[in-house]
Amino acid sequence: GQQLNQSPQSMFIQEGEDVSMNCTSSSIFNTWLWYKQDPGEGPVLLIALYKAGELTSNGRLTAQFGITRKDSFLNISASIPSDVGIYFCAGFNAGNNRKLIWGLGTSLAVNP
Amino acid sequence: EAQVTQNPRYLITVTGKKLTVTCSQNMNHEYMSWYRQDPGLGLRQIYYSMNVEVTDKGDVPEGYKVSRKEKRNFPLILESPSPNQTSLYFCASSLFPQTGTTDTQYFGPGTRLTVL
Repeated sequence: GQQLNQSPQSMFIQEGEDVSMNCTSSSIFNTWLWYKQDPGEGPVLLIALYKAGELTSNGRLTAQFGITRKDSFLNISASIPSDVGIYFCAGFNAGNNRKLIWGLGTSLAVNP
Repeated sequence: EAQVTQNPRYLITVTGKKLTVTCSQNMNHEYMSWYRQDPGLGLRQIYYSMNVEVTDKGDVPEGYKVSRKEKRNFPLILESPSPNQTSLYFCASSLFPQTGTTDTQYFGPGTRLTVL
C-alpha cells in the first residue's frame, strides 16, 4: 500500500534542543495528522491539520500543512525527556474510504 | 472514559492454533480498524470496517479474518497463525465522517503476539 516518506528515521538529541521532522507524499491530502507513540502504548493524536498552509500548535509542538498539500512538518521546541517516542505522520483524502496513509515514523531519543 | 480496549495484551501461541484478539470501543464510533506494527515497517492496516456488517481488506489482510456484528466490537481472528504473524497489533476506531473533519483515530493499547 501507499506510504508517506517520513524523515528523519531517528533522532538523538540533547534536552532543550529543538526538533524538526517532515512527511512528504506523491498524492495530495486534505488532512494531515501527527501522532506520538510512547513505548508500550498505542499512538495518540497530537495535531490535526485540515487546510493547506495551516499552522497549528499544541504546547511546544507546532505542525504545518504544506501549501502544496503534499507535505507536512512537525516541530518540537525545547525538548524534554518525556518527548521520547515514535512520531508518525498520517495523511487522509476524503475520497479514500477513510483510509489513513501512514509514514514509517521518526524515533526520537532525548538525552537529559 | 472514552477508550478502545484490546484483549489479551500479550499472547504466545503455537503455529496453527486458532486465536482471537478482541477489540471494543465505547465511543459509538462507526469506523474500526486493525493494524500491525513491525520494526521498520510502521503501521500497516489489516482490515477495516465502516459500520456493522461492513468490512474490507486493508494492505495486509492475508491470514486474518474480522467480523463486525455489533458496533462496539471488532475482533481479529487468526485461523491458523504462523510465525510471520508475530507482531504488535493495534485496534483503532473513529467517527465516520459527515464533514470529513472527524478523522481522529483512537488506538487501543496494543496486543503483542508471538507465534512459535
